Amino acid sequence: GENVEQHPSTLSVQEGDSAVIKCTYSDSASNYFPWYKQELGKRPQLIIDIRSNVGEKKDQRIAVTLNKTAKHFSLHITETQPEDSAVYFCAATASSNTGKLIFGQGTTLQVKP
Amino acid sequence: EAGVAQSPRYKIIEKRQSVAFWCNPISGHATLYWYQQILGQGPKLLIQFQNNGVVDDSQLPKDRFSAERLKGVDSTLKIQPAKLEDSAVYLCASSSPTGGPTEAFFGQGTRLTVV
Repeated sequence: GENVEQHPSTLSVQEGDSAVIKCTYSDSASNYFPWYKQELGKRPQLIIDIRSNVGEKKDQRIAVTLNKTAKHFSLHITETQPEDSAVYFCAATASSNTGKLIFGQGTTLQVKP
Repeated sequence: EAGVAQSPRYKIIEKRQSVAFWCNPISGHATLYWYQQILGQGPKLLIQFQNNGVVDDSQLPKDRFSAERLKGVDSTLKIQPAKLEDSAVYLCASSSPTGGPTEAFFGQGTRLTVV
């Protein structure tokens, strides 16, 4: 069935270090991969997304890479800041439904000042 | 632009009672989703509407959950009767996909506690 695995479940870094979160997906027909940031008690908000026809995308300190062959995609945050502390979710579209998102289990990122 | 509106923000009910949640999507968004987010997990899709038609309700527990979007705008999600395991945040989202999947905008969610 449709599945997205996300690792690690928790990640603690020092301010200024980089953070990497990895996801794998099961359906080779998935074609859209968003990353959402969710602060405690707040709504998930899109921070970056990538489509299957692109291998890498960057937006300031955030980048996402996609390896379609291996069915892996990763979020890279450089020069982390305390305000980056949150839960991050990866997601992939279900091939049976272009709108339905299958979410990973989430990564709690803590950036220590 | 105004975001996705949901109400209520919080709800506490006893098991076997019924509850309803309301969602108003972003204006012009044809696609509306209801997700269930259990504490410590990622959101799970319960039902997806395209205008007022159901696109996907494969993970909706239909013996107790129901949802409607009668005029293709607002939507309500109902649980009757509620179980303890229904305690979760219920997130509504909307999108306006043109030419493929695009960003889903989420509401603040309704936190349901069943006691």
